[in-house]
Amino acid sequence: GEDVEQSLFLSVREGDSSVINCTYTDSSSTYLYWYKQEPGAGLQLLTYIFSNMDMKQDQRLTVLLNKKDKHLSLRIADTQTGDSAIYFCAERRGGNNRKLIWGLGTSLAVNP
Amino acid sequence: EAGVVQSPRYKIIEKKQPVAFWCNPISGHNTLYWYRQNLGQGPELLIRYENEEAVDDSQLPKDRFSAERLKGVDSTLKIQPAELGDSAVYLCASSSAAAGNTIYFGEGSWLTVV
Repeated sequence: GEDVEQSLFLSVREGDSSVINCTYTDSSSTYLYWYKQEPGAGLQLLTYIFSNMDMKQDQRLTVLLNKKDKHLSLRIADTQTGDSAIYFCAERRGGNNRKLIWGLGTSLAVNP
Repeated sequence: EAGVVQSPRYKIIEKKQPVAFWCNPISGHNTLYWYRQNLGQGPELLIRYENEEAVDDSQLPKDRFSAERLKGVDSTLKIQPAELGDSAVYLCASSSAAAGNTIYFGEGSWLTVV
């Protein structure tokens, strides 16, 4: 995961917004993804953004992409205790390679 | 529509024993992946299939790991013999070009080697 970096922990209060950040290194990235992993579960695709987009909104989730700075963020509005999980950022690079490059995950703790 | 189905969900075995994991991808997904995820890490690709052909197995430890996808649908991943360091979650995933090549994961098979 050295090419995709995330902060390891984030703690927020219930009802606040959470912002999880991710940086990547390869400018040829085509898609960037956010996956959620709850304890004992697999990886759930939350949302993704194509590299020619700046923003994507889906209900409580907002993804911002700054391609110049190679920075991706996931904002969760009105964070709930059920949002407590590990959030992984992943990038897919150009070409026919379907391999994803993963960050180490950000553990989000939502406090009541 | 059913997601990626894996079994068993949990397995505890003694070292040197064999173990096998099974995966049924999303219907119509021709690309199938096996990932390994260690505690506190992101997933690591072990092998990727396009239909029945393994097109990327560069990270698969071939001395003890094997995988097959004989009819281009279900797949099995085998470890023989298992070592203590193989304790991890083994995640199967699938994708298709028609669905934008987005990768969808199963719930994982949680292996503990004692």
